[in-house]
This record gives sequence, C-alpha cells and structure tokens, in this order.
Amino acid sequence: EIVLTQSPATLSLSPGERATLSCRASQSVSFYLAWYQQKPGQAPRLLIYDASNRATGIPARFSGSGSGTDFTLTLTGLEPEDFAVYYCQQRSNWPHTFGQGTKLEIK
Amino acid sequence: QVQLVESGGGVVQPGRSLRLSCAASAFTFSSYAMHWVRQAPGKGLEWVAVISYDGSNKNYADSVKGRFSISRDNSKNTLYLQMNSLRLEDTALYYCARDQAIVVAVPAELGMDVWGQGTTVTVSS
Repeated sequence: EIVLTQSPATLSLSPGERATLSCRASQSVSFYLAWYQQKPGQAPRLLIYDASNRATGIPARFSGSGSGTDFTLTLTGLEPEDFAVYYCQQRSNWPHTFGQGTKLEIK
Repeated sequence: QVQLVESGGGVVQPGRSLRLSCAASAFTFSSYAMHWVRQAPGKGLEWVAVISYDGSNKNYADSVKGRFSISRDNSKNTLYLQMNSLRLEDTALYYCARDQAIVVAVPAELGMDVWGQGTTVTVSS
C-alpha cells in the first residue's frame, strides 16, 4: 500500500498570505494525485486532479505541482473560505490511499 | 442540480450486516464509475471501494475486502454498499462519490468530482 504523508499537520496563516501544503508518497505515483478540500460538516470537494489540473469551478489561486513522490498544493492570496482541511489522494495503485490531511487555520 | 444522496446508515451490533444506498440525480449515472469513501469520527478520509460504470469492475480496500460488496443498479440510478461482519472500526460517516471516469483502473487519471453528504454507520454492542 502506498502511504501518503502530508505536512505540516497544521498550518496557521492570515488571509491574503500564501499557503504551501506538501504531500509525499512512499513510492512513485507519477502524476496520479488529487487534492481535496473539506470544511467542517461538509463533504470533500475535488480541487486538483492529475497533480496540476484544477477541477471545474476551482479558483485560479489554487495550484498543484509535482510528480513522482513529492507534490505541493499552493494557495496564493488566502480567502477566509479557504481555511479547511486538505487531503491528497493517490490513484496510481490499489488501494487509492489518502494522506492524513493538513488543517489550514486562521492565525 | 447534480446530486448524490446516501441512506441506510444506523446503529448495528458487531457481526451484523447493513446495506447503504446512494441515489443519484441530474446526471447520467450509468456513465460514471462510483466510489464509497468513509471517515471515522474526527479522523481523515479512507477510500473503501470503487465500481465501474457497468458494474463489471470492482476494487476494495484491504480493510473491507471479503466483508463489503459494492454494486449498482443503473436502472434505478442507485449505488449500494453491502456491509457484512461489521466491526467496531467500521464506525464512520460513509460518502458515495462520482468519479470523473467511467472505469477506474490503476493508474487512474482524474478524481472524484461529486460527493454526497454521507450516512453514518455506528457499530456498537
């Protein structure tokens, strides 16, 4: 099973700042990685698929990069609604594992 | 609008069975692969199972393999998860989710772009 490790566990920033979230895979997943956002009491929402493609309706301030084992989700110019938990998920091999999540909180 | 609505959750004793349903609307259900994903209280997401658009391909997490079965009825626009031999650690909020693809193989491009609000399963004696 491929293990995804997300860092940091918690990230405290202020609105308007830039957030950089990391996801590292225990073995190469090529570009088969997705990012999801989850707000309290809500279902997850697809942000990024195939490492760097924004899903429909996702603002341009969200961007994804990386390949192989190291991936980054970057949020530029944080908006109040961006404070949430973010998960990466690999789709390179079974099972389609998730990372443990990064909580982005308001400083 | 495109919607997924889960049902069938509840409180069940260890070792018993439960069947979850996920009703789809406002899209061509038979054209998409579908997943179940769960989230234990206060924990992260765990992928559970996937089924192809026509039901011919299925895959499961090791933690549920042999106990859970995913199926679908395209004539009813409904996805199912039959859960047998339930354990305490199966307690979670269960989401169904639509994949952007019709068949999810490995490696798989795309992602899960539509999610329901979830149904809660509590396994307790």
